[in-house]
Amino acid sequence: NAGVTQTPKFQVLKTGQSMTLQCAQDMNHEYMSWYRQDPGMGLRLIHYSVGAGITDQGEVPNGYNVSRSTTEDFPLRLLSAAPSQTSVYFCASIDGLNTEAFFGQGTRLTVV
Amino acid sequence: AQSVTQPDIHITVSEGASLELRCNYSYGATPYLFWYVQSPGQGLQLLLKYFSGDTLVQGIKGFEAEFKRSQSSFNLRKPSVHWSDAAEYFCAVGFGSGNTGKLIFGQGTTLQVKP
Repeated sequence: NAGVTQTPKFQVLKTGQSMTLQCAQDMNHEYMSWYRQDPGMGLRLIHYSVGAGITDQGEVPNGYNVSRSTTEDFPLRLLSAAPSQTSVYFCASIDGLNTEAFFGQGTRLTVV
Repeated sequence: AQSVTQPDIHITVSEGASLELRCNYSYGATPYLFWYVQSPGQGLQLLLKYFSGDTLVQGIKGFEAEFKRSQSSFNLRKPSVHWSDAAEYFCAVGFGSGNTGKLIFGQGTTLQVKP
């Protein structure tokens, strides 16, 4: 049972480049979320999804897109990377029964 | 607006001493409440959670937390800290009617343990 798998683990982008952070879960959870973690700011919610085909914005959605075509996958797209998007990104899959969130190991993104 | 505040950014305690990490939230109703721990370079692990019922909840690794509605607080405690408890701790709150999977995190508290 892999849980939540995030790829890649590390990435360096140039300003203006686009990329997709992948997130997959094998627990059949309806709810999934993306967070970014920055020093002193905790985890801030970027986007979340309550099921396939349904997504909504979190606290800091600007510059990011998401889609949820299947229950398993919830990719996060950076449309035009900016240095302010340098961060560690975490994907979470949430058990709807007891609201426990399971986190991936994170993606460390640097935008130069 | 919904918010979660962890007033202490950094706490240092001696090994064997007791620990209390503070968490306050702002929300009109009783939310779901969680504490997570993050070791360096790792993801987050759930320590404990509160939904309803007994306001004192027990978690893993000897941690407990108490929900106080009147203070909008959910403080984490441990009677005797071990060196392996050094990590960053996050309080999180689930908002929305029913379960939307939307969690808001506090800023985190870094715990340092002195030998």
